[in-house]
Amino acid sequence: NAGVTQTPKFQVLKTGQSMTLQCAQDMNHNSMYWYRQDPGMGLRLIYYSASEGTTDKGEVPNGYNVSRLNKREFSLRLESAAPSQTSVYFCASSEGGGRDTQYFGPGTRLTVL
Amino acid sequence: QKEVEQNSGPLSVPEGAIASLNCTYSDRGSQSFFWYRQYSGKSPELIMSIYSNGDKEDGRFTAQLNKASQYVSLLIRDSQPSDSATYLCAVTSYQGGKLIFGQGTELSVKP
Repeated sequence: NAGVTQTPKFQVLKTGQSMTLQCAQDMNHNSMYWYRQDPGMGLRLIYYSASEGTTDKGEVPNGYNVSRLNKREFSLRLESAAPSQTSVYFCASSEGGGRDTQYFGPGTRLTVL
Repeated sequence: QKEVEQNSGPLSVPEGAIASLNCTYSDRGSQSFFWYRQYSGKSPELIMSIYSNGDKEDGRFTAQLNKASQYVSLLIRDSQPSDSATYLCAVTSYQGGKLIFGQGTELSVKP
């Protein structure tokens, strides 16, 4: 099992460009999450999908959109990238429910110039 | 006040010592508590979860939870240089499922 995979691993964008970060899991998990991690800030939830067909905003959703394409895949889109979106982005998945463990992908390091 | 607070450190301990990492949370309705370890440049990995008041031990790791004081801690016994990492405390929100993370405590274990 690959677990949670993310593409790309690294990306450099210019201000105003758009891109989509891809995430896939092969653990048959119901819930999927997108986080960003900035120095000294811990992990902050951008969007999550509790189950296929549903998405909800997290703590820092502005400037992002998501799509739960199917049970396996959850993508994060930046429509018009800004330097403030320079960060490391992690996708995670879990079975669902309050006690379950979230498993993280390897991350995407994004720089917006 | 942040919902989940940790000392950012760095916390430095000698090899073989006990490392004590602390976390407080603000939501009294929180039900589940997790400790993740994150090596530099890597993704977080779960090392402990705890749901009830008291202690939970797993090898060299002990998680302690006190819901009345809204406090959760992680003790690492016989610390090793390989334990050097950032430790993230995470708590489920009252809505369930969503994790709220602290900012992490950097631990350095000196040989």
